[in-house]
Amino acid sequence: GQQLNQSPQSMFIQEGEDVSMNCTSSSIFNTWLWYKQDPGEGPVLLIALYKAGELTSNGRLTAQFGTTRKDSFLNISASIPSDVGIYFCAGRNGQNFVFGPGTRLSVLP
Amino acid sequence: GAVVSQHPSRVICKSGTSVKIECRSLDFQATTMFWYRQFPKQSLMLMATSNEGSKATYEQGVEKDKFLINHASLTLSTLTVTSAHPEDSSFYICSARVTGTGVSGANVLTFGAGSRLTVL
Repeated sequence: GQQLNQSPQSMFIQEGEDVSMNCTSSSIFNTWLWYKQDPGEGPVLLIALYKAGELTSNGRLTAQFGTTRKDSFLNISASIPSDVGIYFCAGRNGQNFVFGPGTRLSVLP
Repeated sequence: GAVVSQHPSRVICKSGTSVKIECRSLDFQATTMFWYRQFPKQSLMLMATSNEGSKATYEQGVEKDKFLINHASLTLSTLTVTSAHPEDSSFYICSARVTGTGVSGANVLTFGAGSRLTVL
């Protein structure tokens, strides 16, 4: 079936640093989504991407829909302690949503 | 907009009892809702797709008689864990698909806050 790979699996960064993570698949998706999950909470949508090549920002977050439609990346600039959490990418085709395994981000003060 | 409310957030029950978790779309109609299970430090595992007015579609390996899903209205889906055992202890999360024509909000999933089930 369809699977998504996320890298890195986890990362430790200093506060103020920029972060980059990506999501790849062997399948094409029509929509790419990025979510953040805080401990003990449900995932919250950060950015939705609808077109190949699309670059979208949400505050300090920027995400891009890969031109091959098989990948996407998420960048976080000037990280702060509240950026800690798990970041999930998801690809959508029709009513089918596939989630990646997540990137666990830790921010050191 | 597009808020999903999940209740209860935490539940502790004795082995052998049944537990019901509710998932409501507060400000939109959700013909499709999804139920996920998440183990500590792991990703979201799709359990089933809940369709309003019809039977749920279960993922391979998920016991439909164990995890009963009912989607009786356009705003409510319920998951009942029947005859719960300690191995059913987990974090259960529902989500609803948001449709529409909005650029930033169409065809995305909105999640509830999750329900942590502990079976003693």
